[in-house]
Amino acid sequence: GAVVSQHPSRVICKSGTSVKIECRSLDFQATTMFWYRQFPKKSLMLMATSNEGSKATYEQGVEKDKFLINHASLTLSTLTVTSAHPEDSSFYICSAARAGGPRDTQYFGPGTRLTVL
Amino acid sequence: DAKTTQPPSMDCAEGRAANLPCNHSTISGNEYVYWYRQIHSQGPQYIIHGLKNNETNEMASLIITEDRKSSTLILPHATLRDTAVYYCIVRVAGNNRKLIWGLGTSLAVNP
Repeated sequence: GAVVSQHPSRVICKSGTSVKIECRSLDFQATTMFWYRQFPKKSLMLMATSNEGSKATYEQGVEKDKFLINHASLTLSTLTVTSAHPEDSSFYICSAARAGGPRDTQYFGPGTRLTVL
Repeated sequence: DAKTTQPPSMDCAEGRAANLPCNHSTISGNEYVYWYRQIHSQGPQYIIHGLKNNETNEMASLIITEDRKSSTLILPHATLRDTAVYYCIVRVAGNNRKLIWGLGTSLAVNP
């Protein structure tokens, strides 16, 4: 159990376009989802915390108008990179915290590799 | 949340136990120790967590010192598939609490 999927797994887009990444918890409900990005050979950097039905909380230095997060249901959160530029190229990872249950853990998606040309 | 210190890299022979240390000398009484790992180009994977008692599951064992200032993750019989970056994170429990990631330990399991 506790599977998190991301779609797409890999995307290449032109500079100036917008890209949407979906994060789904497949077999559990997640009241909280987190979005991270990871540059090569670096650790994960938290971008924002997303709670179902409310606005996301962004980390310092992350532009909320550029990285739009929607968490419309207990199983789906989306990250939209608006007007993408080459410096936005990165590995984007989501995680979902199980609502209730005996164990407080976060389950991670497989990641989305974004390349902006 | 308290900070952690891990060695940047370790090697282990296949079939042997891998013991990964983590120092968290400023850990608070209500902070848990979590271990995750990340295989190259994949999302992180939860391994185990504990408060003060030693814990064991199907993946690993977690040994926490009595003063809780350090811990060791033990992979009892390492395989090549255990090659990954291992992260030790301490934080207060709670599903909405964020994880702060350090650089972790890059474990190489050698044949």
